[in-house]
Amino acid sequence: QKEVEQNSGPLSVPEGAIASLNCTYSDRGSQSFFWYRQYSGKSPELIMSIYSNGDKEDGRFTAQLNKASQYVSLLIRDSQPSDSATYLCAVSRYNQGGKLIFGQGTELSVKP
Amino acid sequence: KAGVTQTPRYLIKTRGQQVTLSCSPISGHRSVSWYQQTPGQGLQFLFEYFSETQRNKGNFPGRFSGRQFSNSRSEMNVSTLELGDSALYLCASSSGNPSYNEQFFGPGTRLTVL
Repeated sequence: QKEVEQNSGPLSVPEGAIASLNCTYSDRGSQSFFWYRQYSGKSPELIMSIYSNGDKEDGRFTAQLNKASQYVSLLIRDSQPSDSATYLCAVSRYNQGGKLIFGQGTELSVKP
Repeated sequence: KAGVTQTPRYLIKTRGQQVTLSCSPISGHRSVSWYQQTPGQGLQFLFEYFSETQRNKGNFPGRFSGRQFSNSRSEMNVSTLELGDSALYLCASSSGNPSYNEQFFGPGTRLTVL
């Protein structure tokens, strides 16, 4: 079992729709959770961080964390073609400082 | 605030050679983490340096090493290059606070081993 697993993708949604990206993790000691966006040929860009159970909203993005189910998700409302990218879920343990464990990523395509 | 910088951006080396990559973190950040990204394995953690000390290490062979200087700049070295070392090498900068460890990536160094 991989430590961090994401939807295999690619995920295709029409412009204006809600895109839902999912991630599960195996280490119950994980305490920090992140979503990165990576455009083709570019480096990952941090878009959301979440540390406690529940929802966290930032503009069109909402991260949801459920530690009991070991599940974290990212919702993108009013999806735009510019949101087309690979979305990476990453987790870390509190006592492992700067070590992020990444999922394989989900490719999102937003069609005009 | 200036972002994370990495040099060089592209490198072509041959098997058996060694290479040194450089990373300058965001001003004020004391932690630098290094990652290798390949199409097959995705993003994998190499190691993290905090205050000139290696704080965490991933599962890579000893050919991969690093160091950090007093100004928080970091270098990564790969010796005896293999074809499989061809990858995008990314460094990420953070404050180093384990309870607030958001990491910000540099543009990466694309290494090709021939």
